Formats: sequence, C-alpha cells, structure tokens
Amino acid sequence: GAVVSQHPSRVICKSGTSVKIECRSLDFQATTMFWYRQFPKQSLMLMATSNEGSKATYEQGVEKDKFLINHASLTLSTLTVTSAHPEDSSFYICRIAGARDTQYFGPGTRLTVL
Amino acid sequence: QKEVEQNSGPLSVPEGAIASLNCTYSDRVSQSFFWYRQYSGKSPELIMSIYSNGDKEDGRFTAQLNKASQYVSLLIRDSQPSDSATYLCAASFSGGYNKLIFGAGTRLAVHP
Repeated sequence: GAVVSQHPSRVICKSGTSVKIECRSLDFQATTMFWYRQFPKQSLMLMATSNEGSKATYEQGVEKDKFLINHASLTLSTLTVTSAHPEDSSFYICRIAGARDTQYFGPGTRLTVL
Repeated sequence: QKEVEQNSGPLSVPEGAIASLNCTYSDRVSQSFFWYRQYSGKSPELIMSIYSNGDKEDGRFTAQLNKASQYVSLLIRDSQPSDSATYLCAASFSGGYNKLIFGAGTRLAVHP
C-alpha cells in the first residue's frame, strides 16, 4: 500500500489565492520531508527540506515567504503556495526519507492557477 | 553548482533490445546514486540505487557506477513497451540519501 499520501491530488484556483498541499507519511515517522516542483517536460527541482519541529531549509531562488512550509508532526508536512499566480502552476511532489534506501515519493499534486 | 546531467532523448529502442541510459555528475563528493522511472503525470518510482563502483543487477536492470569518470548508467535488458517512460538519474550531495539532485531525465520509447 501507499507509504506517502498527498492531498489534494489536483487543484485549480484563481490567481491571488493561497493553496495548501498536505504530505502525509502513512507507515513511519518522517523527521525530514522534501518538497519538489516539476514543470512540464522538466526534471524535479528541490524547493525545500522540511524538518519536523524546526524551520524549513529553502533552496536558492525559492521564496520562503511565498512557499510556506510547516512540518508540525512526524507524519505531516504542508506546503502553502501564497498568492498563487499562473507561473506557479506545476506538479508539486513531496518525498520522505527513512533508512538508507528507504525513500518514497508522494503521488504529487497538480496545481493549476488561472 | 552541483549538477546531474542526462541526455533528454528520446531514446528509441525496439522491443527486446537493450536500452542504455547515461548520466554524469559534477561533484566528486557524491556517494549515492539513484535511478527513477517516471510515467507521464505520475511521481517518480525508485528502480535502482548504487553506492559502489561497478555493476549492480536487479532483474532486467543493471546500474553501473564509475566514480573516477563521474558517470552512472542504467541498462534495461529485454526492453518492453511498458518500459517507455522518463528515467531520472539522481545523486546525493550530502554524503547520504537525503538531499537528492535530479537530472533532467531521458525519455525512453520502446516500440513493438
């Protein structure tokens, strides 16, 4: 069965609104979760590393005030895209990492901003 | 800047043939390497991981790592149409499995 879930799987919103994406670890406690973004026909770009109980670490060029990450528990991390614009339309994917080869991607969330 | 590079393809092979996918990386510190398969509209799924120089085989898949030359490859034997997907190479730059940097991916098309 699934180890990681994401909700929603697909969301369409109007420009200027905020969208929250949830990533849940179903089978084990994840102290670290990673958020990626993927534009069509491009690779996954790491946005930030989410650490339980502390502030997320953002990659260079990713606006931390626009992409708010909260990792309040060992099983849940949320990514909020604030004041979304059409250029934020993308496929957002979370990944959790456990022991050495234990890593799982969530199923992804397709965001479309009109 | 740490990079992982792949040929975007498409790589087209006939059914039953061997598909060879290549990847190079820029950071000699990288220790862990991964191959993912991604179908259109889906999230990536892990196929192989490799940490040591040489070959690692798993079913029809063989990963090859050459740290001196900084490349890693994936061979798919007896290619099937269901193998048609984008294959992503990833390297860990933190000395572990956590922070992965992905290549742009190679699109593979296996035709009957």
